[in-house]
Amino acid sequence: NAGVTQTPKFQVLKTGQSMTLQCAQDMNHEYMSWYRQDPGMGLRLIHYSVGAGITDQGEVPNGYNVSRSTTEDFPLRLLSAAPSQTSVYFCASSPGTFEKLFFGSGTQLSVL
Amino acid sequence: DQQVKQNSPSLSVQEGRISILNCDYTNSMFDYFLWYKKYPAEGPTFLISISSIKDKNEDGRFTVFLNKSAKHLSLHIVPSQPGDSAVYFCAAESSGDKLTFGTGTRLAVRP
Repeated sequence: NAGVTQTPKFQVLKTGQSMTLQCAQDMNHEYMSWYRQDPGMGLRLIHYSVGAGITDQGEVPNGYNVSRSTTEDFPLRLLSAAPSQTSVYFCASSPGTFEKLFFGSGTQLSVL
Repeated sequence: DQQVKQNSPSLSVQEGRISILNCDYTNSMFDYFLWYKKYPAEGPTFLISISSIKDKNEDGRFTVFLNKSAKHLSLHIVPSQPGDSAVYFCAAESSGDKLTFGTGTRLAVRP
């Protein structure tokens, strides 16, 4: 059972480039979400989805887009990367609430 | 405004002794609290939780205490083991709302 799978694990971008962080879960969870972890800031919610076709903004959504076309996948798109988006990104899923999130192993992103 | 605060960024404890990690919150609407544990290069994993109707929840070596009047919760690990060395995040939510995480405390258990 793979759980929550994130790709890539590491990525370096130049300012202005775009890219998509992939997230897939095989637990048939309805809830999926994206967090970023920065030193001294904890985990901050970027976007979340309560089911296929439904997405909403979290605490720090600017500069990011998401879509949820299937239950399994929840990609995060950086439209025009900025150095302030240098962070570690975690995708998470849960069965039906925001309790007991299951996290992926993270993507370390550097924007130069 | 940080609604969930972990004021100690790091803690070092001798193996076999008790580890106490603290967390304070400001939002009185929070009614469910969780602790997550994170090893380097891995995602956080759920450790233990407590509802606001309780003041204590125990799971093996881990116990979470909730003091609603002080808006304070703590995680006790007894006895501490080297494998417990990790970053611990507390998190809180109010019904129907999103989880809010603290900034984390790095625990080091010395052999």
